[in-house]
Amino acid sequence: NAGVMQNPRHLVRRRGQEARLRCSPMKGHSHVYWYRQLPEEGLKFMVYLQKENIIDESGMPKERFSAEFPKEGPSILRIQQVVRGDSAAYFCASSPRTGGNQPQHFGDGTRLSIL
Amino acid sequence: GESVGLHLPTLSVQEGDNSIINCAYSNSASDYFIWYKQESGKGPQFIIDIRSNMDKRQGQRVTVLLNKTVKHLSLQIAATQPGDSAVYFCAENLEAGGGADGLTFGKGTHLIIQP
Repeated sequence: NAGVMQNPRHLVRRRGQEARLRCSPMKGHSHVYWYRQLPEEGLKFMVYLQKENIIDESGMPKERFSAEFPKEGPSILRIQQVVRGDSAAYFCASSPRTGGNQPQHFGDGTRLSIL
Repeated sequence: GESVGLHLPTLSVQEGDNSIINCAYSNSASDYFIWYKQESGKGPQFIIDIRSNMDKRQGQRVTVLLNKTVKHLSLQIAATQPGDSAVYFCAENLEAGGGADGLTFGKGTHLIIQP
């Protein structure tokens, strides 16, 4: 029973390039969440998606960041024109349904480094 | 500011002793709380959760206590082992059953096990 799968594990980009981070939720989970973690800090919520719908993107920067969860395939977090401040670990979590009754299960993250 | 926080950034305990990690939250509307363990280079791993209609919940070697009066959460680990070394985060869900389901994380406590 595979857990949440994220790839790549490490991604290096130069300033101005695009970064694409992928997340496949646990089998049977239809809710996906993206978080960002800076060194020595807790995770910060970015966006919550269900299949083909963005439910809550209140934690996502208004510019350059976008997320999708298509009917087929993984969820994608896309960062355009990356800047040094985008360097962080990005984690994806999934849960079987909404509500506070189900814990979110996390992948091992993508560590994004901007040169 | 942060609605979830931790009292100590680092906790050092002797192997075999019990560990107590504390967490304070400020939003009295929070109704679901989770403890996660994060090892270096990995994603947060679910340990135990508790709903606001409970004040105590036990798992294997772990106990979570919730004091809603003072908005305090604690994680107790019995007979601490070297494998318990990690950063521990508490997280809360602000709106159960709908709306924003992104978790709010505290900054974390680094648990160090002394031999």
